[in-house]
Amino acid sequence: AQSVAQPEDQVNVAEGNPLTVKCTYSVSGNPYLFWYVQYPNRGLQFLLKYITGDNLVKGSYGFEAEFNKSQTSFHLKKPSALVSDSALYFCAVRSYYGGSQGNLIFGKGTKLSVKP
Amino acid sequence: ETGVTQSPTHLIKTRGQQVTLRCSSQSGHNTVSWYQQALGQGPQFIFQYYREEENGRGNFPPRFSGLQFPNYSSELNVNALELDDSALYLCASSPGSQGTQPTFGSGTRLTVV
Repeated sequence: AQSVAQPEDQVNVAEGNPLTVKCTYSVSGNPYLFWYVQYPNRGLQFLLKYITGDNLVKGSYGFEAEFNKSQTSFHLKKPSALVSDSALYFCAVRSYYGGSQGNLIFGKGTKLSVKP
Repeated sequence: ETGVTQSPTHLIKTRGQQVTLRCSSQSGHNTVSWYQQALGQGPQFIFQYYREEENGRGNFPPRFSGLQFPNYSSELNVNALELDDSALYLCASSPGSQGTQPTFGSGTRLTVV
């Protein structure tokens, strides 16, 4: 069965420091991986995705993620955190329906707190 | 282009009642999926519609049902509401290819009392 794990419930970082939010996945076949961010009482906003190609994927708001096939990981990173990055972050993998688009399977989320 | 819009934004229902949530998909998107996000949890897949037909369903009972209309908008219906149905319900639309990311609406917050 396909699954996503986000091992940290919360990540705390000081403003200006680099941040990493961890994600590991389990899929059969090639993974389609996504990161979304959720602000309080809001829907999910797309940050970036890995479909194929370069292992380092660049996304919105200065975020990037590194795909590591051997470690089945897709960690989200940012070189310099901002207080405004404080939010809930979700990693997701797409299920496969044998040709048609599959739904997303989400991790439980990681709360990022950036302190001034 | 307009994004995904959901209505209503909030509502309160009594246990045993029925509710209908609505979603307008983003222009050009033919696939709509619904997710339930309980407090403190990640979104859980309910079902998906592609060109008016359900083509995927998560682990939800039959009292959760849906429709997709010719304009690709969608409804989620929940019968016989239970207290545990209290959650944020998210609708997402996408163009339908594996490599595209779904666009999410802001959700409907359902409270069952």
